[in-house]
Amino acid sequence: KNQVEQSPQSLIILEGKNCTLQCNYTVSPFSNLRWYKQDTGRGPVSLTIMTFSENTKSNGRYTATLDADTKQSSLHITASQLSDSASYICVVSEGTGGFKTIFGAGTRLFVKA
Amino acid sequence: EADIYQTPRYLVIGTGKKITLECSQTMGHDKMYWYQQDPGMELHLIHYSYGVNSTEKGDLSSESTVSRIRTEHFPLTLESARPSHTSQYLCASSDLAGGNYNEQFFGPGTRLTVL
Repeated sequence: KNQVEQSPQSLIILEGKNCTLQCNYTVSPFSNLRWYKQDTGRGPVSLTIMTFSENTKSNGRYTATLDADTKQSSLHITASQLSDSASYICVVSEGTGGFKTIFGAGTRLFVKA
Repeated sequence: EADIYQTPRYLVIGTGKKITLECSQTMGHDKMYWYQQDPGMELHLIHYSYGVNSTEKGDLSSESTVSRIRTEHFPLTLESARPSHTSQYLCASSDLAGGNYNEQFFGPGTRLTVL
């Protein structure tokens, strides 16, 4: 069964600190992996996308990595800000014609002053 | 900012009422989706559409129905709302042709409360 698992479930850090969120998947065949940020009460917004041949992608203070061999991805946030408080969702798309996407449960990040 | 809109943003209604949640997108996307999300929980796909006159049920069973008469419009209807329908409903769209690797663009969501 295709699955996407994220850890930790929630995380509290102090403003200015770095953090890393994890995503493990069992989706096959693999097409791409995307990290979304979802602010409370809003829809998710795409941060990064990586295909099979890419192992890192940056978007400002957000850096995602992908190890397609071990089927693991991470999202690293540098110098966290209060506005980074949100849920971060890992989404993996199947490499089939239907482009089915599997959502992780998300990591809830709280950045405190 | 994605050009996908949902109305209303918040809705509080009584049990037994019929409601329609609106979703429109101006990006010309063929594929559209409806997700249900409880607070702090993951998104669950309840309906999707490949294009006009196409509707499919998602992974999570839902008593709601959808229609796709126009490319840009994908409304969701509950014939008789119940407290168990209380949740956030998120609409999304993507380019069926695979452009941008099937990125889904999400609307702001409708927070539904059934009393």
